[in-house]
Amino acid sequence: GAVVSQHPSRVICKSGTSVKIECRSLDFQATTMFWYRQFPKQSLMLMATSNEGSKATYEQGVEKDKFLINHASLTLSTLTVTSAHPEDSSFYICSARSGGTDTQYFGPGTRLTVL
Amino acid sequence: AQSVTQLGSHVSVSEGALVLLRCNYSSSVPPYLFWYVQYPNQGLQLLLKYTTGATLVKGINGFEAEFKKSETSFHLTKPSAHMSDAAEYFCAVRSSTKLVFGAGTILRVKS
Repeated sequence: GAVVSQHPSRVICKSGTSVKIECRSLDFQATTMFWYRQFPKQSLMLMATSNEGSKATYEQGVEKDKFLINHASLTLSTLTVTSAHPEDSSFYICSARSGGTDTQYFGPGTRLTVL
Repeated sequence: AQSVTQLGSHVSVSEGALVLLRCNYSSSVPPYLFWYVQYPNQGLQLLLKYTTGATLVKGINGFEAEFKKSETSFHLTKPSAHMSDAAEYFCAVRSSTKLVFGAGTILRVKS
C-alpha cells in the first residue's frame, strides 16, 4: 500500500516552454501533498505544501508564479514549471500524506532537463 | 526550529560488516524522526520512523534505529551490510506539518 506515482519520469524541454508534472496517490487519499526539488548530490528542499482544494503554501524563496501547484483532488497534484530555463533543471519529487498520519510517501521523481 | 545533522556524507563498509549511519537532531518539541533511503534516480522509500513509545525502532531490510533523547540522536544500524544496501540515506525530523531532511549519507558497500 501507500504508493505514489509521478509522470513523466523524465522530461527534456526547450527554454521558455512550460512543463507539467503529475503526482498521484494510487491507493490512498492524500489530503496533503508536498513538492520537493533535489539538486545533484544535495538533499531535498521543500518547495511547497498543498492541501486538497486549497491554495498551495510556498516556502520562502520559491516563486509561486513560476511553480504552479494544483491539488484538485485527493489523489492528484500537479506542478507546472512555467517558462522553464536551464537553471530549473533538477530532480522534482512529490510526496503524499493522508490525514491523521505522520508519514509521507514519496513518488519516484521526475528528472527535468531544460535545454 | 527543527534541524537534522548527518555526520559523514560518505560511509564505506565491507559486505557483512556493521552499518552505522549517524543522525543528530534539534527539536523544541518531542521529535518525530524518520529514515529514508534513496536509490539512484528514484524517490525516497521509508525505512523506519519513531513517533512515540519504544525507542528502538525496527524497519525494513533489517535496519533499525534507536532514539536517544539524552544524546539527541537517531542513528541507523544494520548488523550485516549487503551489496543491495548501497544507496543514499536521509534522516528527517518532522517540523510542524513538514519534514526537514539532513544532507544525506551515501553508503558504499565493498565486496
